[in-house]
Amino acid sequence: AQSVTQPDIHITVSEGASLELRCNYSYGATPYLFWYVQSPGQGLQLLLKYFSGDTLVQGIKGFEAEFKRSQSSFNLRKPSVHWSDAAEYFCAVGASENTPLVFGKGTRLSVIA
Amino acid sequence: GAVVSQHPSWVICKSGTSVKIECRSLDFQATTMFWYRQFPKQSLMLMATSNEGSKATYEQGVEKDKFLINHASLTLSTLTVTSAHPEDSSFYICSARDPTSGSFNEQFFGPGTRLTVL
Repeated sequence: AQSVTQPDIHITVSEGASLELRCNYSYGATPYLFWYVQSPGQGLQLLLKYFSGDTLVQGIKGFEAEFKRSQSSFNLRKPSVHWSDAAEYFCAVGASENTPLVFGKGTRLSVIA
Repeated sequence: GAVVSQHPSWVICKSGTSVKIECRSLDFQATTMFWYRQFPKQSLMLMATSNEGSKATYEQGVEKDKFLINHASLTLSTLTVTSAHPEDSSFYICSARDPTSGSFNEQFFGPGTRLTVL
């Protein structure tokens, strides 16, 4: 069975600074990887996804993620964080067409002035 | 993109009552919907997979008699929390797969329903 680890529970960055949120997965085959963002009391919004092809994936809101098979990682990055990026970020993995997603525990991002 | 709605967005009920939460795919037909539960500051935990026209598949540890799921049409799945108790208070989120989206396994999430049981 697949699993996802997000090692950082809470990260604080200054506005304008760069950001990297870590995600490691465990799965025997090539997984389908996702990053979602959740604002307080809200549902999930898809930032980006990786299925195959180019390992550097561009998403919405200026986010990108890189799939590294050798490290079983799919880290999320943003070159310059905005205060509105403060939220909870979830990495998720899916195995096949009909299986639900398995989520990491999330990383809470705080942005300071 | 595909839109999934949930109703109600917030519900407060007394202990012992039943609460129904609706999940609708607004602009696509969803043969499969998923129900998740999220405790405060926790991740999403899958409760069950709902397939249109058939019985839901529940995850281990989820009581099927307590969390009744009905996927009667291609655009609607309902989750009924029966005889709710304070420990059932949580944020319930549904998602739906759009088989025509062209993206493998892409799920679209509803905005969630906050259930508080007094």
